[in-house]
Amino acid sequence: DGGITQSPKYLFRKEGQNVTLSCEQNLNHDAMYWYRQDPGQGLRLIYYSQIVNDFQKGDIAEGYSVSREKKESFPLTVTSAQKNPTAFYLCATRSVDNEKLFFGSGTQLSVL
Amino acid sequence: QQQVKQSPQSLIVQKGGISIINCAYENTAFDYFPWYQQFPGKGPALLIAIRPDVSEKKEGRFTISFNKSAKQFSLHIMDSQPGDSATYFCAASQKGNAGNMLTFGGGTRLMVKP
Repeated sequence: DGGITQSPKYLFRKEGQNVTLSCEQNLNHDAMYWYRQDPGQGLRLIYYSQIVNDFQKGDIAEGYSVSREKKESFPLTVTSAQKNPTAFYLCATRSVDNEKLFFGSGTQLSVL
Repeated sequence: QQQVKQSPQSLIVQKGGISIINCAYENTAFDYFPWYQQFPGKGPALLIAIRPDVSEKKEGRFTISFNKSAKQFSLHIMDSQPGDSATYFCAASQKGNAGNMLTFGGGTRLMVKP
């Protein structure tokens, strides 16, 4: 997974609860991304950040929030407003001079 | 919304056969077309990529064919092996657009039977 650590591997959320997924990278990449993957579907972009202290909404940002206080870290919070959170969440990074995306190994979020 | 359409959704191939996955795009400004391979429970990994200035790129058993006029590109896996069983995603991006953000196809689940 090339220096990208996602944790936890599995996460369970109770109704009404906010949960935070961790993504840490040691690749010194500026850009970081969060994707959601549903069974049999493609990757949908939730949020992305091209630089510290800046981030932009992707295609499905509603019910999610992020922060980018450090270059190495881009945590994703799944809020209680996200009514269908069960999915596989993938964090990715990219260097500014390279179009190649590097992915973490993902977090499977399920609802109790 | 920019789209990349991928087909088929699933594919079963005998060992030694050729696997072919197709993608079509709409945005003529796209200038980078990668394919990603994903095994169950893992993140996708870059397999091979092509730019529109060439019509074909080959790396080992994997070949991308690119048809700029038709706005289509495809992945060919020659001599398919059971270890190739995975989900494959095509993608496209436009340099300088929203951080070179990739737009992904819906994925193809490939099963290679021994």
